[in-house]
Amino acid sequence: NAGVTQTPKFQVLKTGQSMTLQCAQDMNHEYMSWYRQDPGMGLRLIHYSVGAGITDQGEVPNGYNVSRSTTEDFPLRLLSAAPSQTSVYFCASSYRERNTEAFFGQGTRLTVV
Amino acid sequence: AQSVTQLGSHVSVSEGALVLLRCNYSSSVPPYLFWYVQYPNQGLQLLLKYTSAATLVKGINGFEAEFKKSETSFHLTKPSAHMSDAAEYFCAVSEDQGAQKLVFGQGTRLTINP
Repeated sequence: NAGVTQTPKFQVLKTGQSMTLQCAQDMNHEYMSWYRQDPGMGLRLIHYSVGAGITDQGEVPNGYNVSRSTTEDFPLRLLSAAPSQTSVYFCASSYRERNTEAFFGQGTRLTVV
Repeated sequence: AQSVTQLGSHVSVSEGALVLLRCNYSSSVPPYLFWYVQYPNQGLQLLLKYTSAATLVKGINGFEAEFKKSETSFHLTKPSAHMSDAAEYFCAVSEDQGAQKLVFGQGTRLTINP
């Protein structure tokens, strides 16, 4: 099993450009989430989804959009990139049941210049 | 809202010494607690999780953590550090019964001295 796959691994954007970070999981997990990791701040939740067609905002949603049309995929869109969005982005997935843990992808390192 | 505090952004120990990484949480309901490890340029890997079955939780690579409700703590320990333990460690709490909304601590970078 591939687990949680994120693409691309690295990306450089110019301010104002848009892009989509891809996330796919092959574990049939109901839940998927996006986090950003910044030095000294741990990981912060951007958006999450509890199933196809259902998404909600996390702690830091501004500047990001998500949609979930299938169980497997959960893309994260940056509509107009800003330098403040320079970060490492992680996608995670988990089962709906209690007592389960989140499985993380390898991350996408994004730099906005 | 729940929060997690990890005391010490950097911890340095000698190889073979005890490792102690501290985590305190705030929660109004019985929490689900996790420790994750991140090696350089990699994603997060689960070390262990507390789900109310037992207060002392054993994880991978010889790590364990003890849930203390009275102290709202979930400290991570390992009796004898190995060079391969050098990594960043994150404590996290779930805001829900699932793991789709984790709240993370700031992280602790563990350095092992030979």
